Amino acid sequence: KQEVTQIPAALSVPEGENLVLNCSFTDSAIYNLQWFRQDPGKGLTSLLLIQSSQREQTSGRLNASLDKSSGRSTLYIAASQPGDSATYLCAVTPGAQKLVFGQGTRLTINP
Amino acid sequence: GAGVSQSPSNKVTEKGKDVELRCDPISGHTALYWYRQSLGQGLEFLIYFQGNSAPDKSGLPSDRFSAERTGGSVSTLTIQRTQQEDSAVYLCASSRTGGSTGELFFGEGSRLTVL
Repeated sequence: KQEVTQIPAALSVPEGENLVLNCSFTDSAIYNLQWFRQDPGKGLTSLLLIQSSQREQTSGRLNASLDKSSGRSTLYIAASQPGDSATYLCAVTPGAQKLVFGQGTRLTINP
Repeated sequence: GAGVSQSPSNKVTEKGKDVELRCDPISGHTALYWYRQSLGQGLEFLIYFQGNSAPDKSGLPSDRFSAERTGGSVSTLTIQRTQQEDSAVYLCASSRTGGSTGELFFGEGSRLTVL
């Protein structure tokens, strides 16, 4: 059974810092990995989708990497801003086609 | 529509009542998913629709839960005889292609509170 773990559960950093969020999964047989952002009381917003054949994806200040063999992905946020405060979730698509989510990392950027 | 639309955004009901939650996916998206997010918990898969194929109902927690998708578009999640443990945010997502490659787009969710 695929399990997804995100560490840390919560992170608080000063504005302007670069930071890394971690995601690990137990079964490397995935089709893709997706990072989402969730603001309090809101739905999920897709940030980046990495197909299994890709190593990384970039969007603005965000960069996500994927290492299938080690079962890891990282989300790098450059020059963090208070507006980046949210819960970040990673999810993998195993062969069963439905995403398996991690518990999320609650990120707080302090002005 | 521009995004995935869910209604109602909030629903408070009494234990034992039935509720219906609606999801209107992005136009042209063939795949539709329902997830549940309980307080302090991760997202729990409920059901998946892909085109005209039989839905994957493997995540439905009990026979009180059912869902249908009419005309390959709008979906309704029905919870019969609601229990307090059903209180959660029910999230709907759609994908253009579904399966292994599709990027998921989520609605804002329907927050269900069972008293």
